[in-house]
Amino acid sequence: NAGVMQNPRHLVRRRGQEARLRCSPMKGHSHVYWYRQLPEEGLKFMVYLQKENIIDESGMPKERFSAEFPKEGPSILRIQQVVRGDSAAYFCASSPRTGGEDTQYFGPGTRLTVL
Amino acid sequence: ILNVEQSPQSLHVQEGDSTNFTCSFPSSNFYALHWYRWETAKSPEALFVMTLNGDEKKKGRISATLNTKEGYSYLYIKGSQPEDSATYLCVCGSARQLTFGSGTQLTVLP
Repeated sequence: NAGVMQNPRHLVRRRGQEARLRCSPMKGHSHVYWYRQLPEEGLKFMVYLQKENIIDESGMPKERFSAEFPKEGPSILRIQQVVRGDSAAYFCASSPRTGGEDTQYFGPGTRLTVL
Repeated sequence: ILNVEQSPQSLHVQEGDSTNFTCSFPSSNFYALHWYRWETAKSPEALFVMTLNGDEKKKGRISATLNTKEGYSYLYIKGSQPEDSATYLCVCGSARQLTFGSGTQLTVLP
């Protein structure tokens, strides 16, 4: 049973380009969470999705960031027109049920560098 | 937004020493508390989840307690080993999301 998969592991983009980060949850998990770790900071919640639905996006920046979790395929975190301040590690986690009480299993993260 | 605080920020102990760290959180509207272990260059790994006041969980040499009335949890490591070196994250769970503390960075010196 493979764990949470994220790709790419490292992504380099120039300012103004788009970044697409992918997350495949553990088998049987229908809840996906995205977190961001800025340099020298801890993990911060961004968004919580179930299949085809955004449940809580209270941690997402209002502009340029979007997330989806389609019926088929991985969850995608999309950052348009990236800026240097978007450089961070982006972690995805999944759980079989809603995550407040349920353990979340984390992927290895995608490290985004914006030049 | 929950405020989850952990202390100390960092800790160095000798191999074989026992140690403990603290997590404090708002006691009102408590839902669940998680402890995660995060090694450098790896992803956070779940240790415990606790929901009831007075809960105690144990996994090998690591144990945790929970006091929801006063809003704190302790993590204990007995007989620390170099492989215990990691950042230990305390996390408060609501129905929809997790709020992470800043972690306690433990270094066990051989």
